Amino acid sequence: AQSVSQHNHHVILSEAASLELGCNYSYGGTVNLFWYVQYPGQHLQLLLKYFSGDPLVKGIKGFEAEFIKSKFSFNLRKPSVQWSDTAEYFCAVNPLTGANNLFFGTGTRLTVIP
Amino acid sequence: NAGVTQTPKFQVLKTGQSMTLQCAQDMNHEYMSWYRQDPGMGLRLIHYSVGAGITDQGEVPNGYNVSRSTTEDFPLRLLSAAPSQTSVYFCASSYSRGRETQYFGPGTRLLVL
Repeated sequence: AQSVSQHNHHVILSEAASLELGCNYSYGGTVNLFWYVQYPGQHLQLLLKYFSGDPLVKGIKGFEAEFIKSKFSFNLRKPSVQWSDTAEYFCAVNPLTGANNLFFGTGTRLTVIP
Repeated sequence: NAGVTQTPKFQVLKTGQSMTLQCAQDMNHEYMSWYRQDPGMGLRLIHYSVGAGITDQGEVPNGYNVSRSTTEDFPLRLLSAAPSQTSVYFCASSYSRGRETQYFGPGTRLLVL
């Protein structure tokens, strides 16, 4: 079955550590890619998105993600995390075939220790 | 501009009861969708709508009904609640499906006993 995989379920980092969250998908063809974030007690909100062009995209709050087509991956990175980055992070894929909906990964909970 | 609103925030149901989860948006978005969020399973699409009068099934539609009589509102109905429907439900909207940013509501936490 086609899917979106986030292998890190819970990541615990100290402030100033670097972050990389993995995301792999199994949809063929052209896809749009997203990272959404859910801060404690808040709505899900868009962190960044990729449609085409430069495979390295920058989002809000210093986050960036790199699309590697050959690896079907869209990993999220941040050079130096802050306590306020504590949240749940969801990778999402919009395959441009079929119903053209958005499919989410299982999420990664990030805890940043001050 | 309230964005996407959902009511209620929390609900407890007994098995077999029915209820409607309300969702409204004031951004004139054509596309609206319902997701459920379960631990270890992320968000899964229940139903979606590409405009008033048009709805379709997502990944996990069984046990749920939707309708879209206006652009603003997209209620989700649980016909006969089951414990397996215990979840957090999110409504989302966007200008269209595909590459558009989806705006999410605050969620409804549902417990079915």
